Amino acid sequence: DSGVTQTPKHLITATGQRVTLRCSPRSGDLSVYWYQQSLDQGLQFLIQYYNGEERAKGNILERFSAQQFPDLHSELNLSSLELGDSALYFCASSVNSGWGETQYFGPGTRLLVL
Amino acid sequence: GENVEQHPSTLSVQEGDSAVIKCTYSDSASNYFPWYKQELGKGPQLIIDIRSNVGEKKDQRIAVTLNKTAKHFSLHITETQPEDSAVYFCAASSAPVGQFYFGTGTSLTVIP
Repeated sequence: DSGVTQTPKHLITATGQRVTLRCSPRSGDLSVYWYQQSLDQGLQFLIQYYNGEERAKGNILERFSAQQFPDLHSELNLSSLELGDSALYFCASSVNSGWGETQYFGPGTRLLVL
Repeated sequence: GENVEQHPSTLSVQEGDSAVIKCTYSDSASNYFPWYKQELGKGPQLIIDIRSNVGEKKDQRIAVTLNKTAKHFSLHITETQPEDSAVYFCAASSAPVGQFYFGTGTSLTVIP
């Protein structure tokens, strides 16, 4: 158990809908990272937040957004969902945001868009 | 940006044999190289990492080597056991924001 929690574990929804994925980092970790894992794309970095502020952006679509709250939990919002958004979404956390920070991954949320 | 390539995509070994997974990276600024193990239905778990100022690191049956000149790093698992069966990912990261670029994964099967 990494200490990172994610809810829900599974999510089934329809195209065009909007969903929110939640992540609670390990106690004391200030950085949260979001990743998308699909069969054809592998693990793709989406976005990083550090202490409430956006720190780095990866391959995140404009339909997706995220935020980190004062209690350091984070939410990833996915809107206008398409079939291709079906994937595993992982959250990871680290103590700070500098280079070489070990990232600890949560168990993931499996999203299925029908 | 960084491009990380990982080989092989699948690997089967007999229990007790060694397994080697190789990754190459493109950005010479990358300075941190973790390896993750992902079991079915779980998130990636860090198993070992190496920084650019070190050429080799070992932790029991697992070792990682780094060749900065050639821009490649490898994971070595000795005396493999069935519980080593999983998907292994390499990653590369560089200062200052720590964005990770992952390899495409290697599915390792250890045959009892």
